[in-house]
Amino acid sequence: QKEVEQDPGPLSVPEGAIVSLNCTYSNSAFQYFMWYRQYSRKGPELLMYTYSSGNKEDGRFTAQVDKSSKYISLFIRDSQPSDSATYLCAMSERSGGSNYKLTFGKGTLLTVNP
Amino acid sequence: EPEVTQTPSHQVTQMGQEVILRCVPISNHLYFYWYRQILGQKVEFLVSFYNNEISEKSEIFDDQFSVERPDGSNFTLKIRSTKLEDSAMYFCASSVVRAGELFFGEGSRLTVL
Repeated sequence: QKEVEQDPGPLSVPEGAIVSLNCTYSNSAFQYFMWYRQYSRKGPELLMYTYSSGNKEDGRFTAQVDKSSKYISLFIRDSQPSDSATYLCAMSERSGGSNYKLTFGKGTLLTVNP
Repeated sequence: EPEVTQTPSHQVTQMGQEVILRCVPISNHLYFYWYRQILGQKVEFLVSFYNNEISEKSEIFDDQFSVERPDGSNFTLKIRSTKLEDSAMYFCASSVVRAGELFFGEGSRLTVL
């Protein structure tokens, strides 16, 4: 079983829709959960960072972590064409002091149509 | 806004040649990383670096790879003898102590012919 699984999509939604992106994982040692946005041929950009189970909101973005189910989600409200990108989930366990090796999902390609 | 900068943005090289990819991490960050992404694949961890030494490396990071912080600002990844399968986008990242919040550069695309 792969450590982090993410539906690659592609996902196409109309402007204004609510988008739900999800990842599952198998490694119980993962403690930190992140969502990155990656535009084509650019570096990943950190969107959300969470540690505990529950919800974290930042503007139109809500990150949800359910450690008991090993499942994380990112919700985007009122989606905009500028949200069109690949969304990567990433997770880490503490390794070697304060270094954090991230394990990424494969990414979900999202297109928001005007 | 501070950012991680990488050079070159694209490098084309012949198989067997040495390549050095350069990164300038965010100035107050203490931890530095290299990741790579083969086209269509996941972003993969290569190596983490702190206090002038490697903290952790993946199985990808074999003897052909090395990292160095030659001065107070630059962080480099060297591939001694490139192979075709080294063709990928290489991302440098940096972080402060806070867990997991890595900031990535825009990447250096390496094409090995």
